[in-house]
Amino acid sequence: NAGVTQTPKFQVLKTGQSMTLQCAQDMNHNSMYWYRQDPGMGLRLIYYSASEGTTDKGEVPNGYNVSRLNKREFSLRLESAAPSQTSVYFCASSDPPGTYEQYFGPGTRLTVT
Amino acid sequence: GDSVTQMEGPVTLSEEAFLTINCTYTATGYPSLFWYVQYPGEGLQLLLKATKADDKGSNKGFEATYRKETTSFHLEKGSVQVSDSAVYFCALSSPDMGRRALTFGSGTRLQVQP
Repeated sequence: NAGVTQTPKFQVLKTGQSMTLQCAQDMNHNSMYWYRQDPGMGLRLIYYSASEGTTDKGEVPNGYNVSRLNKREFSLRLESAAPSQTSVYFCASSDPPGTYEQYFGPGTRLTVT
Repeated sequence: GDSVTQMEGPVTLSEEAFLTINCTYTATGYPSLFWYVQYPGEGLQLLLKATKADDKGSNKGFEATYRKETTSFHLEKGSVQVSDSAVYFCALSSPDMGRRALTFGSGTRLQVQP
């Protein structure tokens, strides 16, 4: 039981490049989330998916897209990376939706130059 | 909107000292409150939670009491260890947000010296 896994762990992009961050959970959770963590700002919600087939914007969705591929997987795509997207990205899951305990992955540290 | 305010860090203590990390919140309705801990290089882990007023959450020697009258959820531990060095996040889940996600404070780094 791996919990929530994320790939890659580290990534460096040049401005304008695209990439997809992968997230998978093996806890059969319905809800999944993407957060970004910036120094002094805590975690902010980018997108979430309450259940398979649904996605919705969070606090800071601009510049990102998501895909809930199936119940296990929730990917985050940067179509044209910008230096402002340099951050640590965390995926999380929970069940029931948004309640109580969220389980976090180890994070992806992204640097955009 | 909802918000969480934590004391700024870093907090530096000697081993066996008493720890308090202050957390206050603003929310409509009756939120659930949480403390998460992030060890270096890792994701966040739930440390403790409280879902209604006057509830006390506890885990690994840490405690926090949901105080609705002061909108606070301060984290305490009677005797910290070097292994408690981490970043601590206070968070809430508000029913008025449809339980979509957690609202986090900015985090407080704790450094415990031997």
